Amino acid sequence: GESVGLHLPTLSVQEGDNSIINCAYSNSASDYFIWYKQESGKGPQFIIDIRSNMDKRQGQRVTVLLNKTVKHLSLQIAATQPGDSAVYFCAEKAYGQNFVFGPGTRLSVLP
Amino acid sequence: EAGVTQFPSHSVIEKGQTVTLRCDPISGHDNLYWYRRVMGKEIKFLLHFVKESKQDESGMPNNRFLAERTGGTYSTLKVQPAELEDSGVYFCASSQGGTGNTEAFFGQGTRLTVV
Repeated sequence: GESVGLHLPTLSVQEGDNSIINCAYSNSASDYFIWYKQESGKGPQFIIDIRSNMDKRQGQRVTVLLNKTVKHLSLQIAATQPGDSAVYFCAEKAYGQNFVFGPGTRLSVLP
Repeated sequence: EAGVTQFPSHSVIEKGQTVTLRCDPISGHDNLYWYRRVMGKEIKFLLHFVKESKQDESGMPNNRFLAERTGGTYSTLKVQPAELEDSGVYFCASSQGGTGNTEAFFGQGTRLTVV
């Protein structure tokens, strides 16, 4: 599988705790955002999305928060499980443009 | 319904050789994207097809890379001749038609190693 970047920001959390992964985006015209999860040897997998007319969206165990004022996106994972260990990418998109990905954050869940 | 599929999953070639990567998008998806992740860095955009037309190829690194999408179905990305810095994971993604904001589904990627 794909090797994980040696220099990726890393977040380590205890199993059962909540995780918060942050992302700063660059384009003020971006109006659609996605969080992807990438496990070793697999492609990015969709977790949750949010459009710019919202500031919060909840899924199953995940919540995405959007702060357009400071161009910040966060992903909250409740009751983090070992299967949540992966690299998480945020992606931003403006209408008519392509997805731009953030650098990724590696989440490690400690037993 | 089948997801985005990519072939091969791994490829190891020598510098100077040619490699062709293939992507089969989700059936009915007009948008097809190629991305690349090099040495664990961020996922970088390469190009975007809408059906068989290249909508945006601003991310293609140089003229050693050639992408095609025959009949608006599957796509190929050819690297000729390959260089060491081309090593990385190449992802393909597809989404429904139009330039509106819809979810892009990714394939598992092709890991290319140039030695």
